[in-house]
Amino acid sequence: QVQLQESGPGLVKPSETLSLTCTVSGGSITSYYWSWFRRPPGKGLEWIAYIYYSGNTNYNPSLKSRVTISVDTSNQFSLRLSSVTAADTAVYYCARHSHDNPNWFDPWGQGTLVTVST
Amino acid sequence: SYELTQPLSVSVALGQTARITCGGNNIGNKNVHWYQQKPGQAPVLVIYRDSNRPSGIPERFSGSNSGNTATLTISRAQAGDEADYYCQVWDSSSTVVFGGGTKLTVL
Repeated sequence: QVQLQESGPGLVKPSETLSLTCTVSGGSITSYYWSWFRRPPGKGLEWIAYIYYSGNTNYNPSLKSRVTISVDTSNQFSLRLSSVTAADTAVYYCARHSHDNPNWFDPWGQGTLVTVST
Repeated sequence: SYELTQPLSVSVALGQTARITCGGNNIGNKNVHWYQQKPGQAPVLVIYRDSNRPSGIPERFSGSNSGNTATLTISRAQAGDEADYYCQVWDSSSTVVFGGGTKLTVL
């Protein structure tokens, strides 16, 4: 059974770049789409970006100028968010897309809290 | 961009039926997915493509979608159903849209 695990610094300074990795176990990232999401404290879920294992990407228009999603290895993909502010403080999740369309998201990683602060 | 509207909160008595709505322009022409998120946990898919339950999701969870409203129905509500619920669709530019989320309270 596929499992996902987010990893990265839990504290990032304002104006710096947030970098997270999603590690997929029990399978490879081949032949699937993968996404990043976040949930700021007291707010709802927000989709950030998706990537196909071959490199096709799409981004949330509201974050597009600051976000990069990439495939690192056969079982890891990553997220970079530049010029962070306190508004980027959130729990960040990665998830796999379904094969069927329109895609749903399952499974999800457990999430990792990233705080933007000096 | 496409927008989804959910009530901020819904309350239901223990054992009764809860209905959580998700409003959108002609949402009946789209496929809607629903997620449950309990405090401190990751979201869990509870309904996909309007009315389909993934394996492991109780039959008490059902969904419908018509016109401008999709609905997640939870029958015989239990204390363990307390969570935030999100509807999700894709818009025409291949981006993901979530509703604002609904907090379900079981009284």
